[in-house]
Amino acid sequence: QVQLVESGGGVVQPGGSLRLSCAASQFTFSSYSMHWVRQAPGKGLEWVALIRSDGTNQHYADTVKGRFTISRDNSKNTLYVQMNSLRAEDTAVYYCAKDLFPSGSGLGSWGQGTLVTVSS
Amino acid sequence: QSVLTQPPSVSAAPGQKVTISCSGSSSNIGNNDVSWYQQLPGTAPKLLIYENNKRPSGIPDRFSGSKSGTSATLGITGLQTGDEADYYCATWDSSLSVGVFGGGSKLTVL
Repeated sequence: QVQLVESGGGVVQPGGSLRLSCAASQFTFSSYSMHWVRQAPGKGLEWVALIRSDGTNQHYADTVKGRFTISRDNSKNTLYVQMNSLRAEDTAVYYCAKDLFPSGSGLGSWGQGTLVTVSS
Repeated sequence: QSVLTQPPSVSAAPGQKVTISCSGSSSNIGNNDVSWYQQLPGTAPKLLIYENNKRPSGIPDRFSGSKSGTSATLGITGLQTGDEADYYCATWDSSLSVGVFGGGSKLTVL
């Protein structure tokens, strides 16, 4: 049973920074692309970022480009997102998600999410 | 404003069928596979359909997907009250090099 457990959420002031982690288990982490997806309170899903299996290729939504950095440590089976220059509109539940197959094909497994609140 | 367009809400009676549309463009749906997700209240999303029309193991065949051109459709037959949820389509946008979700459709089983 694939497990994805996010941590690191909390309350941060505008302009501040936060690093989220996603601990993965029960699958070969180094073989899969990983994503961050967020959901603002009462709103829909928003794709945030993607990192390929070997960490060499990353993509970002325009709303976070230049402020967020996705990374991974395959030796620790952990996905990260470093979030800088946080804004009120970054307030959301952040989910990590894994591709269904090593070749892609949709987000087959999701974590339970961690809440980030940007507020003074 | 989402890149992919879904109806905000759909409804049907128990036992009936409902379809949810997802409209995009040639840079996203037109050239990439579509996946569909179900999000029950207070829970994380769950993959329902991948590669336009395939179901992951454990997803009942009441759920189906199709794609034509720059649009995709999720179908749900034999509606149950437990199907009340938000449903999202998603794909990759090759021009923007980003993942994209639809705005979501709230299903009410009357």
